[in-house]
Parts: sequence; C-alpha cells; structure tokens
Amino acid sequence: NAGVTQTPKFQVLKTGQSMTLQCAQDMNHNSMYWYRQDPGMGLRLIYYSASEGTTDKGEVPNGYNVSRLNKREFSLRLESAAPSQTSVYFCASSQSGGLHEQYFGPGTRLTVT
Amino acid sequence: SQQGEEDPQALSIQEGENATMNCSYKTSINNLQWYRQNSGRGLVHLILIRSNEREKHSGRLRVTLDTSKKSSSLLITASRAADTASYFCATAPTHSNSGYALNFGKGTSLLVTP
Repeated sequence: NAGVTQTPKFQVLKTGQSMTLQCAQDMNHNSMYWYRQDPGMGLRLIYYSASEGTTDKGEVPNGYNVSRLNKREFSLRLESAAPSQTSVYFCASSQSGGLHEQYFGPGTRLTVT
Repeated sequence: SQQGEEDPQALSIQEGENATMNCSYKTSINNLQWYRQNSGRGLVHLILIRSNEREKHSGRLRVTLDTSKKSSSLLITASRAADTASYFCATAPTHSNSGYALNFGKGTSLLVTP
C-alpha cells in the first residue's frame, strides 16, 4: 500500500497563477483533510471531507477550494496564488475523523513569488 | 483552531537520556494523539490515548493523560539520535462541527545528540 500520496512535491508559482494539489489514499478511509504548515505555527486545517460527497471549511479556507473526487482522491485548488500562501501543504486521511489516527502524505512545498 | 500547546518548544538531550514533552489543551476531548515529524517529512502517528485512559505505552513511548488538568505528557525513554524530530500533540474534540478534525499544537523540537 502506498498510503497517502501527494503531487507535486515542490512548486513555485507567480502571484495570480493557479494550481491544483492532488492527494490520493489507498486505505479506504472515509475522511480526508488538507493542512498547511508554516514555521512556528504548527498545522492549520484548510478544508476537510468527513465522507465522500461532503466538504467543509476548516480554520483557514480563504483563497482555497477543494474537490472530493471520489473516496480515494481529495484535491486542493489555489485559484489566484498569493505570497501568503507560501507554505508546506499536507494531505491526511483517517478512517473516521479524529476518532482514529490520521495518516499523512509527504507534503507539497509551495512558494509563491 | 490550535488548541494544544506543547512545552517546551525545544529540547536538547544526549543519547540515552529520557525526553519529556508536555501538552495542554482547553476543551473537552474524545482522545489525544501524538505525532512525530522528521525534518522535511510528513507527520507519523505515534500513539492515541482516549479520554477514559490515564496511561498508555508503546515501545519506548509512555503517554499520560490528565483530563482534570487538561494536560498530557509524552515520555521517550533511552533516547536515540534517530528520535531527533518535532513532536506534536493533537486533540479530537468531544463535540465538533469540523468532522472531528484534529487540533494540532505548535510542536516540540527534540534534538538528541550522540
């Protein structure tokens, strides 16, 4: 099993460009999450999908959109990138929310210039 | 929201010593989890302790939970250089309107020197 995979691993964007971060899990998990990690800030929840067909905002959703394409895949889109979105982005999945452990992908390091 | 707060922010010890990290949180929880993050990598789940448990062990790890004080501690015994990493506590709230997403603290950076 690959666990949670993310693409790309690195990306540099210019301000105003758009991009989609891809995430897939092969553990048949119901819940999927997108976090961003900034120095000294820990992890902050951007969006989550408690189950296939549902998505909801987390703590810092502004500037992002998500799509739960199917049970395996959960993508994060930046429509118009801003320097404040420079961060490391992690996707995670869980059998059912915080009641179980979360499994994390390797992360995408995004720089917006 | 970042409910958990780890203490200390940074810890430096020598191989063979024990490392203790603490976590405090604010609201009632279903469980508390500890994760490890090696530099440049994703987080790895270490241990989950439920609100009705007081202590849990996994290999060299010992976690305690005191719900009356809203605090937890992670003890790593006989530390090794490979334990060098950041450690995060994360809480799963009892009541949630966010799919029971975890609330992560800012982490403790542990350095174990040979």
